Amino acid sequence: GENVEQHPSTLSVQEGDSAVIKCTYSDSASNYFPWYKQELGKGPQLIIDIRSNVGEKKDQRIAVTLNKTAKHFSLHITETQPEDSAVYFCAAGYGEKLTFGTGTRLTIIP
Amino acid sequence: IAGITQAPTSQILAAGRRMTLRCTQDMRHNAMYWYRQDLGLGLRLIHYSNTAGTTGKGEVPDGYSVSRANTDDFPLTLASAVPSQTSVYFCASRTGWSYEQYFGPGTRLTVT
Repeated sequence: GENVEQHPSTLSVQEGDSAVIKCTYSDSASNYFPWYKQELGKGPQLIIDIRSNVGEKKDQRIAVTLNKTAKHFSLHITETQPEDSAVYFCAAGYGEKLTFGTGTRLTIIP
Repeated sequence: IAGITQAPTSQILAAGRRMTLRCTQDMRHNAMYWYRQDLGLGLRLIHYSNTAGTTGKGEVPDGYSVSRANTDDFPLTLASAVPSQTSVYFCASRTGWSYEQYFGPGTRLTVT
């Protein structure tokens, strides 16, 4: 089955700086790579996703890059703000199943 | 539109007791999922259903059962709870034409 590794487990950045979270996956058949944000006491919420036929996707301050050859993908958050503080999960999968990474707790320091 | 609702919000349960976690969605999504979330382990898939009347096993199905009698409801049952089933449980759903999964607010279950 699929195995997804996520690093780092915790990340603290100064407000206004950029944050990068990286994930690797094992199954070359995976073709869908979403990123979820989870705030305290809430369910995960999709913030951006990418398909395997695309190398990069941006949505305002958030971007995701995918390297299929190396089997890794990354989340980039620019101009970080206090409301970006949360736990972020990557996932990889195809069809109906997703395998999640173990999460990154991002703290934005004012 | 409520999206996905889960009940109860939290529960403390004695070991050996039976418990059903409820999940209802009003988006007419075909696929539904149950995950458990444990610190340091992320989200792990317990069971899923691609459409009403069908179910499948995920990564950690032992000790859990599900049913999908209709499109909207996907209950998760613990037949005889054990302390290792202490976790936060999330229900999710997905349309048939998108990979995006929508998550409910979760149920925090403590088995003592």
